[in-house]
Amino acid sequence: DIVMTQAPLSLSVTPGQSASISCKSSQSLLHSDGRTYLYWYLQKPGQSPQLLFYEISSRFSGVPDRFSGSGSGTDFTLKISRVEAEDVGVYYCMQGIHLFSFGPGTKVDIK
Amino acid sequence: QVTLKESGPVLVKPTETLTLTCTVSGFSLRSARMGVSWIRQPPGKAPEWLAHIFSNDEKSYSTSLKSRLSISRDTSKSQVVLHMTNMNPVDTATYYCARVSSTLAFDYWGQGTLVTVSS
Repeated sequence: DIVMTQAPLSLSVTPGQSASISCKSSQSLLHSDGRTYLYWYLQKPGQSPQLLFYEISSRFSGVPDRFSGSGSGTDFTLKISRVEAEDVGVYYCMQGIHLFSFGPGTKVDIK
Repeated sequence: QVTLKESGPVLVKPTETLTLTCTVSGFSLRSARMGVSWIRQPPGKAPEWLAHIFSNDEKSYSTSLKSRLSISRDTSKSQVVLHMTNMNPVDTATYYCARVSSTLAFDYWGQGTLVTVSS
C-alpha cells in the first residue's frame, strides 16, 4: 500500500502571511496515462472534508487563488498565500493511483 | 445540485454487521466515469478510504478491510450500500460517502454519520 506523509503536522500562521505544507508518497503517483493522482482536501472544524486540488494543481470550483498546489512524482506542496481566518482546519493530501490513501493531516490555526 | 446523505445505525454491538446507505441526488450512479466511495474517520484521526463502486459496477476495497466489506448499489433508488461485518470498538468513526469524479477526486461529500461500536 502507498503511505502518505505530511509535514509539518501543525502550523500556526499570522493572518496575511503565507503557509506551506509538504506531502510525500512512498511511491510515485505518476501514472502511465500521464496524470499524477495527488489530491488536497481541507476539513474545516465540524465539517466534512472538501476538495481543494486534483491532479496536483487543478483547483476545484470555488477554491480561492490564494491556494496553489505543486510538485511531481513523490513530493508535493500546498501553499497558502495571505492566510485568512477562514483557512483554519486540517489539510490532507491523498493519493489515488493505487486504491486511495490519505496523509495524517496538517492542522492549521491562526496566531 | 449534487448531494449525498448517509444513513444507518448510530450504535452497533461488537461482532454485529454494520449496514450504511448513501442516497445521492444531482447525478446518476450510471454516469460515465463517476463513482461513489465510502470513507471513515475515527475521532481526531485522518480519513481512511474503505470501498468504491464505479459507474460500470466495478468494485474495489481497502486491502486491510477487504474481508469485512461489501459495497453495492441500487441505481433505481440512487443508493449505494456498504456492509461491514464483525464490528469492533476500534471501528467507531464518522462514516462518509463521497462522489468520485472522472479524475478520481472526491469532489462532493456527505455530512457523515457517527457510528459507535459498544456493547
